[in-house]
Formats: sequence, structure tokens, C-alpha cells
Amino acid sequence: QSALTQPASVSGSPGQSITISCTGSSSDIGGYNYVSWYQQHPGKAPKLMIYDVSNRPSGVSNRFSGSKSGNTASLTISGLQPEDEADYYCCSYTSTATPYVFGTGTEVTVL
Amino acid sequence: QVQVVQSGAEVKKPGASVKVSCKASGNTFTSNYMHWVRQAPGQGLEWLGLINPSDDSTSYAQEFQGRVTVTRDTSTSTLYMELSSLRSEDTAVYYCVREIGTLKAFDIWGQGTMVTVSS
Repeated sequence: QSALTQPASVSGSPGQSITISCTGSSSDIGGYNYVSWYQQHPGKAPKLMIYDVSNRPSGVSNRFSGSKSGNTASLTISGLQPEDEADYYCCSYTSTATPYVFGTGTEVTVL
Repeated sequence: QVQVVQSGAEVKKPGASVKVSCKASGNTFTSNYMHWVRQAPGQGLEWLGLINPSDDSTSYAQEFQGRVTVTRDTSTSTLYMELSSLRSEDTAVYYCVREIGTLKAFDIWGQGTMVTVSS
């Protein structure tokens, strides 16, 4: 099972919106609504930001939103803030011999 | 607030095994799937395996089948991950992770355990 494909980096200015894509296949993203997103600051453990494609856990800002179309999931951060600068990873449940797969990761830079 | 606390850093030689533990508070161990995820230095996240709390059944990433074993001790609320036949590529931070309900997402992460494989 290969890692899901994400852009290596995305950047934006404070207040802008950015979108991170996560592309898989019909065996993972396209086959299930079990897509989650994680934010990771340097030296820290990842933090759950989105689950079930578009649901936010309690305490996560509504500036973060998720969606899916076909085999591609997306995370949108609106009203970009300096503290959003971090690495972001998608994850999907899969029908393969490896039940979970993460994305390659995207570094978000706030200009 | 549920907390997951992992064991300390390890240094191992190639070919050896390592056993990492994590202790969870609350009733996490009896009600939630628990997973292990690792991250090599400067690299992305990689899922290793899980344990089902209802029957102790396990599932592993195909790449690690035969090398990784996840177990738990309910009497001490401790989860274990053992990785054998270590090689330098196994140098990574290993995370103990709780699955949120049955939603196949990970809401509670341990602080991570650094495992270094070096001769």
C-alpha cells in the first residue's frame, strides 16, 4: 500500500485560504468516508483536526474544513493564521492488507 | 482527560528487538482500539498495527508482518509494541495512539518514543 499523495508544500498569507489535496485510490479514499487529517508542529505529536472526511473534533477551529471528491480528499484552512504553520497529514482506511495509510505530508508556510 | 504515557528512548543494535510500552488512563484500554504509528527523522507518518480491545485480535501493516507484535496487559492498562530484526531504517519516533470510538481516526497520541538503531 503506497502512501497517499499530498503536495510537499503550500503557502499563504495571513487571512488567506489554502487547500491541501490528498489523492489515493478506490481502495482507500474513494471507497470509504474514513478520511482524517492531522496537524503536526515541529517536535510535537500529531493532532487530529478532521475525521470522517469533514467532521471537526471538539476544540478544533471552524477555520479547518474537509471534503472529498472521488479518490481525492481536501483540507481547507481559511483565515490563515501564523499558528497554522505546521505539517499536515491525511489518513485513510483501506481495503488492502494494510488497513490504514497516511499521506506523504504537506508543509504549510504562513508568509 | 485521557492521557497516554510512553516508555523512554531506546538504543538498539541491528538485528536486535525493541519493546515499547504505553500506559493509558481511564477506560481507554477496555473500550478503544489502540494503534502504533511511527515517524522516521524528517519523514512522514507510517501506520504499524492495531489491537482490538474486545478480543485482543491484531492487524498489522503488510510491510511489517512477522516483525511487529502488538499486545496489551489489561491488569496494568499497558500497551506494548515489539519490533524485531531491527535495521537502521527502523530508527524513528514510535507513537501509541487511541482510535476515537470506531471512527477510524486517532484522537489521543502518546508523547512518542525515540528508537535508534545503530551499530
